Amino acid sequence: AQSVAQPEDQVNVAEGNPLTVKCTYSVSGNPYLFWYVQYPNRGLQFLLKYITGDNLVKGSYGFEAEFNKSQTSFHLKKPSALVSDSALYFCAVLDMEYGNKLVFGAGTILRVKS
Amino acid sequence: DTAVSQTPKYLVTQMGNDKSIKCEQNLGHDTMYWYKQDSKKFLKIMFSYNNKELIINETVPNRFSPKSPDKAHLNLHINSLELGDSAVYFCASSHPSSDRAGSETQYFGPGTRLLVL
Repeated sequence: AQSVAQPEDQVNVAEGNPLTVKCTYSVSGNPYLFWYVQYPNRGLQFLLKYITGDNLVKGSYGFEAEFNKSQTSFHLKKPSALVSDSALYFCAVLDMEYGNKLVFGAGTILRVKS
Repeated sequence: DTAVSQTPKYLVTQMGNDKSIKCEQNLGHDTMYWYKQDSKKFLKIMFSYNNKELIINETVPNRFSPKSPDKAHLNLHINSLELGDSAVYFCASSHPSSDRAGSETQYFGPGTRLLVL
């Protein structure tokens, strides 16, 4: 079964500093990996995805993620954090065995302090 | 011009009642989904429909019945509501074909916050 793990419940970072939100995956076959963000009382917004190609994927709001096959990781990064980046971040893998369902990690709360 | 919309946004009801949540997408997608987010923010698939046909039916009580009148709509009807049904329900949509660029991405609605008292 496809799964992802987000080892950190919360990440704290100062505004202007680089941020990393970690995700590791366990899949059979080639992974289709995603990052979504959820702001308070809002829906999920798609940030970026890795399907194939370059290991460094660029997405919305200045975020990027690096696919690392040897470490089975897909960490989300941003060079300079903003207070407005504070939100709940979900890593997900697409399970295509029976239909296309997203299997989500538990989520990581990102807090950016000014 | 909201891409995926859900109504209502909030729903407060008593145990034992029957309620429906509606979802509509104007993205021209063929596949729609319902996900449930529990009190610990954990997200899990419930159902998916492709062009009105049920594709995914996870282990969900049969009190939950999705209905897709057309490929732009996927409604969720819940009978005999229980306290444990309190959650946020998200609708999402995507293209179904894996060979269409971008088809893997699912776009989510704003969620319906259900509270059963």
